[in-house]
Amino acid sequence: KQEVTQIPAALSVPEGENLVLNCSFTDSAIYNLQWFRQDPGKGLTSLLLIQSSQREQTSGRLNASLDKSSGRSTLYIAASQPGDSATYLCAVNSGGYQKVTFGIGTKLQVIP
Amino acid sequence: GAGVSQSPSNKVTEKGKDVELRCDPISGHTALYWYRQRLGQGLEFLIYFQGNSAPDKSGLPSDRFSAERTGESVSTLTIQRTQQEDSAVYLCASSLDSITGGYTFGSGTRLTVV
Repeated sequence: KQEVTQIPAALSVPEGENLVLNCSFTDSAIYNLQWFRQDPGKGLTSLLLIQSSQREQTSGRLNASLDKSSGRSTLYIAASQPGDSATYLCAVNSGGYQKVTFGIGTKLQVIP
Repeated sequence: GAGVSQSPSNKVTEKGKDVELRCDPISGHTALYWYRQRLGQGLEFLIYFQGNSAPDKSGLPSDRFSAERTGESVSTLTIQRTQQEDSAVYLCASSLDSITGGYTFGSGTRLTVV
């Protein structure tokens, strides 16, 4: 059974700092990995989707990497802003909807 | 539509009442999913629809929960005789397919049972 862990559970940084969020998974046989952000009481907004054949994806100040062999993905946020404050979740797809496992998330607070 | 649309965004209901939640997926997305997220917890899979195939209802927590979808269009999630433990955010997502396609989520329906 796939297990997804996100550490730390919460993170507080000053505005402007670069930061890295981590997502670890136990089964390296995955189809893709997706990063989301969730604002309080809201749905999930997709940030980046990395297919198993890819090593990284970039969108603006965000860069996500994938290392299947080590069971890790990182989300790098450059020059953090207060508007980046949210919970960031990763979801690992190990073979269809029945095998999509979500992490609990990392709650990020960027302090002005 | 451009995104996944859910309605209502908020629903407060009395214990024992029935509620119906609606999800309008992205046009062309054959796969549709319902998830539940209780406060401070992760996403809990409820049900999956793929085109005209029989849905996978294995995640529904009790027979008070049911969901319908006509073809590749709107889906409704119905909760009968609501209980306080049903209070949660109900999230709908759609995707092109369940293997390689990424998920697009709606904004969710926050259900509060009082």
